[in-house]
Amino acid sequence: GQQLNQSPQSMFIQEGEDVSMNCTSSSIFNTWLWYKQDPGEGPVLLIALYKAGELTSNGRLTAQFGITRKDSFLNISASIPSDVGIYFCAGQLISRPDSWGKLQFGAGTQVVVTP
Amino acid sequence: DAGVTQSPTHLIKTRGQQVTLRCSPKSGHDTVSWYQQALGQGPQFIFQYYEEEERQRGNFPDRFSGHQFPNYSSELNVNALLLGDSALYLCASSPGGRDGEEKLFFGSGTQLSVL
Repeated sequence: GQQLNQSPQSMFIQEGEDVSMNCTSSSIFNTWLWYKQDPGEGPVLLIALYKAGELTSNGRLTAQFGITRKDSFLNISASIPSDVGIYFCAGQLISRPDSWGKLQFGAGTQVVVTP
Repeated sequence: DAGVTQSPTHLIKTRGQQVTLRCSPKSGHDTVSWYQQALGQGPQFIFQYYEEEERQRGNFPDRFSGHQFPNYSSELNVNALLLGDSALYLCASSPGGRDGEEKLFFGSGTQLSVL
């Protein structure tokens, strides 16, 4: 089963509000990634994080690699209708050939934006 | 530049049957990973192919097998289908080298329904 605990499960927010979600793990990861999945599509990479404490932005999205290496956070500022979707955190245990591409995913956070 | 393409998009099978799903990786990528995504869950790693060999495998039974062809495209085969195999099957590709191996590019998936 999945080892990543992602919260909240869902969020209903108004357009213009900020959104925060987080992901925790029982294992230490060397890489954290955040994906977004729209209905009928595969996940799309939003942000990748490689170092403990790292803070990375992609437009209105900001993600942080937790200092303990067991958690990560994603923030969306000034939400707009197209931010609707399911956001997944994913972690890679260690960077070595036999773990390349083997990501562990959280269960996702469903974001609904109302006008 | 074509992204990851999967076929078919939808498939309906009955218990006990066998199914083959196909995937063409993103141009320039030589590594293909397969994930299973149950309804309401995050993707779970099935296995990964590189240089036409299975490089690593997740916790899936031997009923799940795969193949990679010289042109890097891949197939996922599932034998003796069970109701619980109903899910969205995602193919993801990545470059084979160390840089960016964790940045998976996903296809839109094949929705498999087992009746």
